[in-house]
Amino acid sequence: EVQVVESGGGLVQPGGSLRLSCAASGFTFSRYWMSWVRQAPGKGLEWVANIKEDGSVKQYVDSVKGRCTISRDNAKDSLYLQMNSLRAEDTAVYYCATNQDYTFSSWGQGTLVIVSS
Amino acid sequence: QSALTQPASVSGSPGQSITISCTGTSRDVGRYNYVSWYQQHPGKAPKLIIYDVSNRPSGVSSRFSGSKSGNAASLTISGLQPEDEADYYCSSYTGTSSPWIFGGGTKLTVL
Repeated sequence: EVQVVESGGGLVQPGGSLRLSCAASGFTFSRYWMSWVRQAPGKGLEWVANIKEDGSVKQYVDSVKGRCTISRDNAKDSLYLQMNSLRAEDTAVYYCATNQDYTFSSWGQGTLVIVSS
Repeated sequence: QSALTQPASVSGSPGQSITISCTGTSRDVGRYNYVSWYQQHPGKAPKLIIYDVSNRPSGVSSRFSGSKSGNAASLTISGLQPEDEADYYCSSYTGTSSPWIFGGGTKLTVL
């Protein structure tokens, strides 16, 4: 069974940093692009970043460029999102999702990030 | 790139059919047959129910169907059931450096 489990969320002050992790199991992690998608409280979904199977290509939504870095460790079947200079508008549930072809085929349960003083 | 446009809410009675629209542009929905639909129950993760405009993943009910015409895609749910009450989101591939956009979501109420 395909499973992705996020961790690392929490309360952080504006300007702070946080590193999210996503542990994958039940599929060959190294064969898939992976993405982070977020959802602000009461709002819709927003794609944040994705990374190619081998980590050679990384893409970001404009609002996080220069502040966030997506990475992966295929030996550990893990995906990461390093978030710096956090702002109130980054407050959201962050989901890890597998990219199968041109869709988000499997999602984790999400990890909540709250940016507040 | 602007989000795709969905109605904020739709409703229907059990057994009826409803359709949710998703309007984009010629740069996204109109250009690629890579429109997906996701169902999200309160407090839960999104679940893929339609991909590549009209394909259903294994295990998804045949009551869910998708289509596209020009710059607009649609999700139809037939034979509405109480458990279909949820939020529904469309997404499209854009082929740009920010390759994915979502719709604002539609809340389906089963009366």
